[in-house]
Amino acid sequence: GAVVSQHPSWVICKSGTSVKIECRSLDFQATTMFWYRQFPKQSLMLMATSNEGSKATYEQGVEKDKFLINHASLTLSTLTVTSAHPEDSSFYICSANDRASSYEQYFGPGTRLTVT
Amino acid sequence: KNEVEQSPQNLTAQEGEFITINCSYSVGISALHWLQQHPGGGIVSLFMLSSGKKKHGRLIATINIQEKHSSLHITASHPRDSAVYICADPPYGGATNKLIFGTGTLLAVQP
Repeated sequence: GAVVSQHPSWVICKSGTSVKIECRSLDFQATTMFWYRQFPKQSLMLMATSNEGSKATYEQGVEKDKFLINHASLTLSTLTVTSAHPEDSSFYICSANDRASSYEQYFGPGTRLTVT
Repeated sequence: KNEVEQSPQNLTAQEGEFITINCSYSVGISALHWLQQHPGGGIVSLFMLSSGKKKHGRLIATINIQEKHSSLHITASHPRDSAVYICADPPYGGATNKLIFGTGTLLAVQP
């Protein structure tokens, strides 16, 4: 089956630094990738939709200058949390649409970010 | 606007019991997803279905398009099935549209 990987699986960083999270589709091409964040005991919240070769579309209330998204290829999207603050500590999850099957969407294992 | 509602929100079962989790949505869909999330873990896509029924091991998912309702069944439940189960669907039926998530059902299967 289709696999989506994320790297790193967890990261601890100091306040004010930037952190990059990678999302890769390992055995399929993803025209669209989605980035979510999830706080404890809450549902996933969509942050942005990333299309290969174009600018990401951010959801209302998500700062595009703080959460930089780059979808450079059909198998890789990155989320960079710039100038991280403790309130950015969360579980970040990506998902990807399979280009060959327009409805299939596969989720990555998530990245737990802790900002100290 | 599509709304996705799940029931129950919390479910405790004894090992071996048959479990049903329900999902209702308000707008016609192209495909509904059932997802599983273990505590502290990532999300696993269990099913994506647009009609009828799908089965994978002890898991069965059904959908009734006319009634805008889907169910996830777990047969012979086991403690390792303990997780949050989430249904989700695209609001306008588009493949690249964002998913609308249900609130999730927290399942605890006791030995």
